[in-house]
Amino acid sequence: QQPVQSPQAVILREGEDAVINCSSSKALYSVHWYRQKHGEAPVFLMILLKGGEQKGHDKISASFNEKKQQSSLYLTASQLSYSGTYFCGTEIGRGSTLGRLYFGRGTQLTVWP
Amino acid sequence: SAVISQKPSRDICQRGTSLTIQCQVDSQVTMMFWYRQQPGQSLTLIATANQGSEATYESGFVIDKFPISRPNLTFSTLTVSNLSPEDSSIYLCSARRQGETEAFFGQGTRLTVV
Repeated sequence: QQPVQSPQAVILREGEDAVINCSSSKALYSVHWYRQKHGEAPVFLMILLKGGEQKGHDKISASFNEKKQQSSLYLTASQLSYSGTYFCGTEIGRGSTLGRLYFGRGTQLTVWP
Repeated sequence: SAVISQKPSRDICQRGTSLTIQCQVDSQVTMMFWYRQQPGQSLTLIATANQGSEATYESGFVIDKFPISRPNLTFSTLTVSNLSPEDSSIYLCSARRQGETEAFFGQGTRLTVV
């Protein structure tokens, strides 16, 4: 049930853009994106609930293609503070599995000045 | 959002012993979950802590090894039993409210088994 995330790692210069992808073989109810810095708890970025929906948070946005069960996280004009590991968490269907998140392996993002 | 307090933040335990981790949320939540995160790895769902009933375990995790309690809507414990070095990991508590979609996490408990 673990989604597949790509790429595994990204190295950027400040101001550059990046895209992180997340795909699932299961029909998804929602996709959640988190960022985790070393030694800290994961921090919620955004959730996508509907097919084709796109959300934004400052210079970070995401989309969810419900037909393909894929989500992408877009980081625009990256800042040093964007460094960390990004995880997508997928919520499969509803009913008894509602609420449970299954996370991808993560994408390690490093932004250099 | 809500604040989750986890105790202890870290511990070093002897092989064969057990460790109980506490998770306290500052407000009532519908759902509580326990995750394991090995160094540099993803978050793996261990179980859903159900209030007033037995926890629901994911494949590969069993109640004898990871007994969980959830006596009310703000508190849960996870015990890791009969510890072995392979249990060395970070254990995280997570919670979500009914109708809200964000899942928030505690700071985690770093367990080292020697």
